[in-house]
Amino acid sequence: GAVVSQHPSWVICKSGTSVKIECRSLDFQATTMFWYRQFPKQSLMLMATSNEGSKATYEQGVEKDKFLINHASLTLSTLTVTSAHPEDSSFYICSAREPGRRGGGNEQFFGPGTRLTVL
Amino acid sequence: GQNIDQPTEMTATEGAIVQINCTYQTSGFNGLFWYQQHAGEAPTFLSYNVLDGLEEKGRFSSFLSRSKGYSYLLLKELQMKDSASYLCAVRDGWSNDYKLSFGAGTTVTVRA
Repeated sequence: GAVVSQHPSWVICKSGTSVKIECRSLDFQATTMFWYRQFPKQSLMLMATSNEGSKATYEQGVEKDKFLINHASLTLSTLTVTSAHPEDSSFYICSAREPGRRGGGNEQFFGPGTRLTVL
Repeated sequence: GQNIDQPTEMTATEGAIVQINCTYQTSGFNGLFWYQQHAGEAPTFLSYNVLDGLEEKGRFSSFLSRSKGYSYLLLKELQMKDSASYLCAVRDGWSNDYKLSFGAGTTVTVRA
């Protein structure tokens, strides 16, 4: 159980275009999902907390108009990088927590990540 | 915010034991996690400590001392596949949304 998927796994786009990344919880419902960004040889940096049915909560320094997050259902959150630039090239990872899971429910389960390259 | 420190790199021999330390300074605390991340892949959950003491799970054990703001991950009987980055993460004090703050990660290289 507790499987999280992401699509696409990698994407290359031209500067100025927008890219949408999907994050799905496959076998559980996730009221909260998290979006991280990871640059090479660095740790995960939380970008925002995605809440089902309400607005996302962004971390300080993350532009909410550039990184649009939509959590339309209990199993799907999307991150759209708008007007992407080369400095947005990174590894984007989502995670979800499975609330109420017996014996746990505290850990986050991560998706496989999406590698974005902006030319 | 959180300040989480762990060593950058460690090297050990196959079959040996390695201990990865993590220290943290937080305004609140509600759990510490260890994750394993292979290059180019997403992190996978290893352990969770919220009370002081040792949690053992197979070849991996994790220890927590809340008064010292200190944790370690112990990897026993090292295998080549254990070569990866190990991330220490702390859950915010009383955040209802379970946000995690991650350390920079410790890259462990296992040699034959």
